[in-house]
Amino acid sequence: AIQLTQSPSSLSASVGDRVTITCRASQGISSALAWYQQKPGKAPKLLIYDASSLESGVPSRFSGSGSGTDFTLTISSLQPEDFATYYCQQFNSYSFGFGQGTRLEIK
Amino acid sequence: EVQLVESGGGLVQPGGSLRLSCAASGFTFSSYSMNWVRQAPGKGLEWVSYISSSSSTIYYADSVKGRFTISRDNAKNSLYLQMNSLRAEDTAVYYCASPLAVADAFDIWGQGTMVTVSS
Repeated sequence: AIQLTQSPSSLSASVGDRVTITCRASQGISSALAWYQQKPGKAPKLLIYDASSLESGVPSRFSGSGSGTDFTLTISSLQPEDFATYYCQQFNSYSFGFGQGTRLEIK
Repeated sequence: EVQLVESGGGLVQPGGSLRLSCAASGFTFSSYSMNWVRQAPGKGLEWVSYISSSSSTIYYADSVKGRFTISRDNAKNSLYLQMNSLRAEDTAVYYCASPLAVADAFDIWGQGTMVTVSS
């Protein structure tokens, strides 16, 4: 099965900061990658699909890029409501695995 | 309103069985594939299983293969997960999720149902 490795595992940042989270696939997955945001006690929320397409209703400060094995999620200017855990997920094989998550905390 | 509502979670002993349900509403359930995703307490998301709209294609994570069975009843707008030979490591919140408006992503999720495997 394709493995996804996110980095960093945790990150401290301040409101207004620009933040980048990386997701690396163990083999090429074209652009079949999604990003989710999850807050405690809640179901995940889709942010980005097809590596770089912004889900309807998601603020434009979120963006995704990459293809093949290397992908990034960027938040251009952190807002208080963005402090959460972020996951990538691949759709290129018979198992739709997730990365281990990146916890974004307030500095 | 598009909605997924899971039910059937609870406390079960190791080696026991449990059947989860996911009731769909607000969309044409029979047209969409469905998935189960779980999250152990304090841990990350783990994809569990996939079923196509017609039930013709099914996938499982290696961790549940041979123990869990996914199924659906399009007439009842419902998705199921039969879980047998349960282990402590199966303890998790179980979500049903589906790609509705997009092809390769889960844009709709249920609220989750908690399964605890313990003696």
